[in-house]
Amino acid sequence: DTEVTQTPKHLVMGMTNKKSLKCEQHMGHRAMYWYKQKAKKPPELMFVYSYEKLSINESVPSRFSPECPNSSLLNLHLHALQPEDSALYLCASSPGLAGGGNEQFFGPGTRLTVL
Amino acid sequence: QKEVEQDPGPLSVPEGAIVSLNCTYSNSAFQYFMWYRQYSRKGPELLMYTYSSGNKEDGRFTAQVDKSSKYISLFIRDSQPSDSATYLCAMALPQPSNNDMRFGAGTRLTVKP
Repeated sequence: DTEVTQTPKHLVMGMTNKKSLKCEQHMGHRAMYWYKQKAKKPPELMFVYSYEKLSINESVPSRFSPECPNSSLLNLHLHALQPEDSALYLCASSPGLAGGGNEQFFGPGTRLTVL
Repeated sequence: QKEVEQDPGPLSVPEGAIVSLNCTYSNSAFQYFMWYRQYSRKGPELLMYTYSSGNKEDGRFTAQVDKSSKYISLFIRDSQPSDSATYLCAMALPQPSNNDMRFGAGTRLTVKP
């Protein structure tokens, strides 16, 4: 299995809702990432988990809360979002092995619309 | 100056042409270099991955890294309409900072039949 899967594909939520995005990989990768991508822009790094520990948090607002329940799963909990948070949210994973490669494999993304 | 510079295009070529895509960067410490292809409304797909300098070929795609000039390239031979997408260069520092990847702006390519 060489895929990163993400659910849901599309999500529409109000500013008072709480929702979660899910990401899963079964490649044995030990690093997992959340990115935000606006139209016609490159992905922006939000969070990195390395060996299930949060290693990078790029000053993301607290209305985004990541969680890594195990080495295969990554969640992004959303609460009290703003319309400007509407974007494509991408999950990625990489081997994360010491001395190994760091090539990142992306999932298809969740297209989020905040009303 | 941005850390990674990439001409956003758009770039339009006829089918069968050789396409050259380029990025320059300012941080000489980058060691890992990648090219991603992203179709509209999809996630980026890893095309090429190179460590340090040199060339790498995979089918119709060739990636080149010139660390002395801080310049990387992706060549697409015999381009096809299915190659129409946005191409993103990306690069990362050596370990332990290699998880923090820097992207170029992406070049939008259209290959016309």
